Amino acid sequence: GESVGLHLPTLSVQEGDNSIINCAYSNSASDYFIWYKQESGKGPQFIIDIRSNMDKRQGQRVTVLLNKTVKHLSLQIAATQPGDSAVYFCAENSGGSNYKLTFGKGTLLTVNP
Amino acid sequence: DAGVTQSPTHLIKTRGQHVTLRCSPISGHKSVSWYQQVLGQGPQFIFQYYEKEERGRGNFPDRFSARQFPNYSSELNVNALLLGDSALYLCASSLQGKETQYFGPGTRLLVL
Repeated sequence: GESVGLHLPTLSVQEGDNSIINCAYSNSASDYFIWYKQESGKGPQFIIDIRSNMDKRQGQRVTVLLNKTVKHLSLQIAATQPGDSAVYFCAENSGGSNYKLTFGKGTLLTVNP
Repeated sequence: DAGVTQSPTHLIKTRGQHVTLRCSPISGHKSVSWYQQVLGQGPQFIFQYYEKEERGRGNFPDRFSARQFPNYSSELNVNALLLGDSALYLCASSLQGKETQYFGPGTRLLVL
């Protein structure tokens, strides 16, 4: 069945360090992946996305890596700041006529000043 | 530009009552999706609408229903509320549904 899971439920880093948040997915038919950031009391905020025909995509301070061989997705945040503290979710879209996003449970990132 | 808006922000109901939640998508977006997020978990897909037609439904009972209006806004209705319906209800909009979905702030529903 479809599932998206995270290896680490919590991650604590020092301000200025780089952060890596990992995600495993099980649906090999998934063709689109998104990372969202959710702060307390708010809705998920789009960070970056990647399609299955790519293995890397960079944004501002963020990079997403996709390894389809092992069905693994990661989000790298450079020079992590206190404002990056939030829960991070990966989500997958299995394509075809199914447009729903399947989310994992999330990773809580805490940035210590 | 305004993002996705939802109303109300918070709501308290009692078991057995019904509730209507509202969502306005980003201007130009024709698809709206609804998700339920229980505390400590990721959002779970409930419905997706595109051009007023239901295009997808998640694993939720028939007590949950939705509709989309000609202006692309949407309502989510939940009948015969149960304690377990307490959650954050999120609305997401996208151009046609296949692209990036942008979320609103959510409506926090508490069922007593």
